[in-house]
Amino acid sequence: KAGVTQTPRYLIKTRGQQVTLSCSPISGHRSVSWYQQTPGQGLQFLFEYFSETQRNKGNFPGRFSGRQFSNSRSEMNVSTLELGDSALYLCASSRGSLADTDTQYFGPGTRLTVL
Amino acid sequence: QQQVKQSPQSLIVQKGGISIINCAYENTAFDYFPWYQQFPGKGPALLIAIRPDVSEKKEGRFTISFNKSAKQFSLHIMDSQPGDSATYFCAASIDGNDMRFGAGTRLTVKP
Repeated sequence: KAGVTQTPRYLIKTRGQQVTLSCSPISGHRSVSWYQQTPGQGLQFLFEYFSETQRNKGNFPGRFSGRQFSNSRSEMNVSTLELGDSALYLCASSRGSLADTDTQYFGPGTRLTVL
Repeated sequence: QQQVKQSPQSLIVQKGGISIINCAYENTAFDYFPWYQQFPGKGPALLIAIRPDVSEKKEGRFTISFNKSAKQFSLHIMDSQPGDSATYFCAASIDGNDMRFGAGTRLTVKP
């Protein structure tokens, strides 16, 4: 079974630009969560999508948005990029059943650098 | 924002020794406590998780100890191996949602 895939793996943008990151979950998984990982702030939850609906949201500004398609693939968009948005963006998928046995599987991440 | 405090920041253990990483949380509504292992260049991988209705859970060399009254939980790695060298994150959430992570512990197991 293929794992979670994220594209692109590396991205360089300049301040003020916008960026779209893509995540393909494991087949059969309906929940996709996005996380930001930085050396200073560690791992922070951005949002979770389940069946094309945002089910949970972390404490990030509105510049960060996402969506999920009917095939469970998800995209994350960051508008008006700031230097502080440089980070590793991780996507994780799960069945989304909220059961104790429902494991989240992480992708390798997209390394975003904002110059 | 920081609702899960993790210590130590880094840990060096000899091969065969016991590695212990501690976490404390604030929100008593948390009901799911996973530990993740992350190798350089890779995304985190779920190692083991516990619910607050049990005080201990063991899977192979990895054990979670949970103290609900103290709002603390810890990861014990028995017989630590060089291959265990990685960064470990504790986390807490409500029903697996809005996961809050600790700052991470960089474990180095010396041969």
